[in-house]
Amino acid sequence: ETGVTQTPRHLVMGMTNKKSLKCEQHLGHNAMYWYKQSAKKPLELMFVYNFKEQTENNSVPSRFSPECPNSSHLFLHLHTLQPEDSALYLCASSQGQSLGNEQFFGPGTRLTVL
Amino acid sequence: AQKVTQAQTEISVVEKEDVTLDCVYETRDTTYYLFWYKQPPSGELVFLIRRNSFDEQNEISGRYSWNFQKSTSSFNFTITASQVVDSAVYFCALSEAYSGNTPLVFGKGTRLSVIA
Repeated sequence: ETGVTQTPRHLVMGMTNKKSLKCEQHLGHNAMYWYKQSAKKPLELMFVYNFKEQTENNSVPSRFSPECPNSSHLFLHLHTLQPEDSALYLCASSQGQSLGNEQFFGPGTRLTVL
Repeated sequence: AQKVTQAQTEISVVEKEDVTLDCVYETRDTTYYLFWYKQPPSGELVFLIRRNSFDEQNEISGRYSWNFQKSTSSFNFTITASQVVDSAVYFCALSEAYSGNTPLVFGKGTRLSVIA
């Protein structure tokens, strides 16, 4: 039990749909992350939030819009996605962003864009 | 150049064999951390170990052991007497101050298949 949950676990959407991914951490952490994991590519960091403030946006297209209402919840709003956006989206949290803090991951949302 | 290189894309071993997963990193920092994570078929990455750059002692935890060598910039991971449950993708990662707010840089992962 990692303490980081993600919903939904699987999502199929068309290119014109709008959907949201949800992440919740029960570990009392202050930093939360979104990663994208595509087949045969390294994990790509998308966004970082520390104490609800966005501290990193790794040149992610605007069709991905993060939201962090509090330190325990993180959303990824999706709209007008492309088929190449199909991937496993992983959420993680850590106790702050200090060097060396390990991150705890959720099980991911498997997204398929038709 | 990749910051973290896991040259082995896929490895298959027979149960009870020992297997070593290689990790080579690149950094300009003198203070940094290295990690190993396991990703089973269920999807979530499971933290296995963290090692800071000032601690070169090898570590053993049950059937797992890690060999950190700064001279070769390597942080290799050995599973002794492998079991089917060890089948997963294993990621090595680097955390360095030079990356600023980017906390972890992952390698591409090594898929380990342990065959009964």
